[in-house]
Amino acid sequence: AQSVTQLDSQVPVFEEAPVELRCNYSSSVSVYLFWYVQYPNQGLQLLLKYLSGSTLVKGINGFEAEFNKSQTSFHLRKPSVHISDTAEYFCAVSDRDNFNKFYFGSGTKLNVKP
Amino acid sequence: NAGVTQTPKFRILKIGQSMTLQCTQDMNHNYMYWYRQDPGMGLKLIYYSVGAGITDKGEVPNGYNVSRSTTEDFPLRLELAAPSQTSVYFCASSWNSNQPQHFGDGTRLSIL
Repeated sequence: AQSVTQLDSQVPVFEEAPVELRCNYSSSVSVYLFWYVQYPNQGLQLLLKYLSGSTLVKGINGFEAEFNKSQTSFHLRKPSVHISDTAEYFCAVSDRDNFNKFYFGSGTKLNVKP
Repeated sequence: NAGVTQTPKFRILKIGQSMTLQCTQDMNHNYMYWYRQDPGMGLKLIYYSVGAGITDKGEVPNGYNVSRSTTEDFPLRLELAAPSQTSVYFCASSWNSNQPQHFGDGTRLSIL
């Protein structure tokens, strides 16, 4: 089974600063990768996904992520954050050989300060 | 377009009571999932279904049951509620396994 590690439980950052949220997964087999965002008292919404092709993936709200197979990582980045980006972010992995199950990381709370 | 609808939004149960969390989707998705979210623990998969009549266990199935009689509905049943089942429960659906999951707004369940 996969395990997904988000090393940073909380990331404080000032508005307009860049941010990187880290995600590493355990298995080196072929995977699908996702980042979701959760605003307070809401369900999760998809930010971006990597299925195949270019390793740099662009998503909504100016976020992007880079798939690094050798390091089994899928870090999320944004060059300039806004107050409205304050939320919890979850990395998720789906094994190509175990199609039916998603594995989520424990989440990173991004706190954007004015 | 309603997407994934969960009811109820909040519920308080006494230990030993039973209840059913409802989930319905109007996107004609084959795959449906139930997760629980505990603080600092991310989401854990309870059960999933790949189509009507087909269900399987996830990571944390003990104490729960599911059924999938139609494509639209995927109810989650708690038979004997225990305090350890206090959590936020999310239902999700997707077209297939490599497509993003669409989430409901969650059910906040407290067992006292």
